[in-house]
Amino acid sequence: DAKTTQPNSMESNEEEPVHLPCNHSTISGTDYIHWYRQLPSQGPEYVIHGLTSNVNNRMASLAIAEDRKSSTLILHRATLRDAAVYYCILRDDWTNFGNEKLTFGTGTRLTIIP
Amino acid sequence: EAQVTQNPRYLITVTGKKLTVTCSQNMNHEYMSWYRQDPGLGLRQIYYSMNVEVTDKGDVPEGYKVSRKEKRNFPLILESPSPNQTSLYFCASSSQQGNEQYFGPGTRLTVT
Repeated sequence: DAKTTQPNSMESNEEEPVHLPCNHSTISGTDYIHWYRQLPSQGPEYVIHGLTSNVNNRMASLAIAEDRKSSTLILHRATLRDAAVYYCILRDDWTNFGNEKLTFGTGTRLTIIP
Repeated sequence: EAQVTQNPRYLITVTGKKLTVTCSQNMNHEYMSWYRQDPGLGLRQIYYSMNVEVTDKGDVPEGYKVSRKEKRNFPLILESPSPNQTSLYFCASSSQQGNEQYFGPGTRLTVT
């Protein structure tokens, strides 16, 4: 699976939108972009994933660049509960049949300022 | 409520004393996996299972065993724990290829 690059840390004010960037310049055509987050003292939690088109769900939005070499996770209105480490993960969901392994990097530690 | 449970949540043991960490999911998922999380190394996959009686090694399988006799359970077995297996362990499950994975709350293991 291709590598991703994320900032080590970011800060945001409570109740404001947050844009978490991820670069993946070596992404292949069959790599899906997955986002997970890990709240303090908890297991990772699925946030969102997509292939080419922008995606929205109840937790967040995923904006994918037209060339797919970068993406941005958008939290529309950050709360204190969104303070976590956010992981951007590429996964070839077509060829990795049988092993759903997620390769976690170091992620972005998001701090929410009250 | 859909969930993955792990037991115990915390365990302190001594070198060489066999232990089992249990993992159970109530979502009828085919796929289950074990990870360990260490500072600076992120989460690394230990073993995974595609379905009952089908298991395979992940990236760091040495010193661990698993079994999948029932769909809902996927225990992690340390036959002879060593201090380098001190870590935070997570179990995960998902229903099919590419779907979101559900993680358990973690088991913090200390081997002295």
